Amino acid sequence: QLQLQESGPGLVKPSETLSLTCFVSGGSIISTIYNWAWIRQPPGKGLEWIGSIYYSGKTYYNSSLKSRVTMSVDTSKNQFSLKLSSVTAADTAVYYCASQPLGALADWGQGTLVTVSS
Amino acid sequence: QSALTQPASVSGSPGQSITISCTGTSSDVGNYNLVSWYQHHPGKAPKLMIFEVSKRSSGVSNRFSGSKSGNTASLTISGLQADDEADYYCYSYAGSGTPVVFGGGTKLTVL
Repeated sequence: QLQLQESGPGLVKPSETLSLTCFVSGGSIISTIYNWAWIRQPPGKGLEWIGSIYYSGKTYYNSSLKSRVTMSVDTSKNQFSLKLSSVTAADTAVYYCASQPLGALADWGQGTLVTVSS
Repeated sequence: QSALTQPASVSGSPGQSITISCTGTSSDVGNYNLVSWYQHHPGKAPKLMIFEVSKRSSGVSNRFSGSKSGNTASLTISGLQADDEADYYCYSYAGSGTPVVFGGGTKLTVL
């Protein structure tokens, strides 16, 4: 079973860029089985898939966020990252990273709360 | 892609069975046997319970089962226990475009 851990600032100012990193342990991020995903949950709302990245760097984004999302992978550090630009209060959420075999999200990080506020 | 449709809440007494539905379209649930279900206790990470419509994830009790008919997938929990009280989300692969879609979530209350 993989372990995933999110890290990054818990407070981001409006219009700035949210940046998070997910460190993967217990296995290699270079995997033909998994994509690596970001998911978020705004307060009081449901889960929303943000996007996924394959170890090669190929990305898949939620069309509703695509213009603001950039994901990257660092195989030397066994981690992947999320950048979300031009944030507003609506981007306040708990952000999770997860391993993503086809059709599921298998292993999840504990989540990190990111608040957008001045 | 629109979110999959789940009931906002369901409830049942200990020992009873409940079913949570997840309705999508012929572009997601109806077109792929790649539906999964997640249990989410507040403050914790979501947990994969069912994948590929009906396969239980490792360590998940056989009280949890999944099925699909047409554009609707279902999660059934039998022998309800207090610890089953949580939010449950369905998820489906949806092909190209936005390849992942979640349901809106269902709050299960064990009375």
